[in-house]
Amino acid sequence: EAGVAQSPRYKIIEKRQSVAFWCNPISGHATLYWYQQILGQGPKLLIQFQNNGVVDDSQLPKDRFSAERLKGVDSTLKIQPAKLEDSAVYLCASSLYPEASGTYEQYFGPGTRLTVT
Amino acid sequence: LAKTTQPISMDSYEGQEVNITCSHNNIATNDYITWYQQFPSQGPRFIIQGYKTKVTNEVASLFIPADRKSSTLSLPRVSLSDTAVYYCLSGPGGGNKLTFGTGTQLKVEL
Repeated sequence: EAGVAQSPRYKIIEKRQSVAFWCNPISGHATLYWYQQILGQGPKLLIQFQNNGVVDDSQLPKDRFSAERLKGVDSTLKIQPAKLEDSAVYLCASSLYPEASGTYEQYFGPGTRLTVT
Repeated sequence: LAKTTQPISMDSYEGQEVNITCSHNNIATNDYITWYQQFPSQGPRFIIQGYKTKVTNEVASLFIPADRKSSTLSLPRVSLSDTAVYYCLSGPGGGNKLTFGTGTQLKVEL
């Protein structure tokens, strides 16, 4: 089966500019996650969607970050305006309902490497 | 949020068995223990998951003692391609929220 797709793979912007990332999860996966991974650290969950509803966005800097998941499938993550500390890899992941699959396995995309200069 | 502690790095040689131990002192009753592997420039990849005792799949074994305050990932006969960062996580059984730590950098040499 096709994996989680993300684009672009790389992006370089100047601080105060805006940027958007796109994610297409595995078909049939109801849950979608966006993570931020700073160099040398583990991924940090930014937001979790169940279908097109937000389950958890407690770690999303809402003054500059926004995310949406239209029709419960694709998702976009936006940063506006970007800061230097936003330089990181942004990972998208998806999973089935654990009640249906019996597992909490998340499938990750390749990520988008963002550099803010 | 559940917090885990694991060694920052480990070194091994090809063909050896590697055991990476993780402590999760404040694990909740309905938390599962999950291990992920991450190669450079890739997203994490699920390795194994368990709740208690022992779980084995085609790539690894997971040992969880009765008190569940620690877990050990066992990789049999590692190869150079097993060089990666390994993350131990504990997550709530009521949802999929996982908290990643800094992971263990495993380096396998000839």
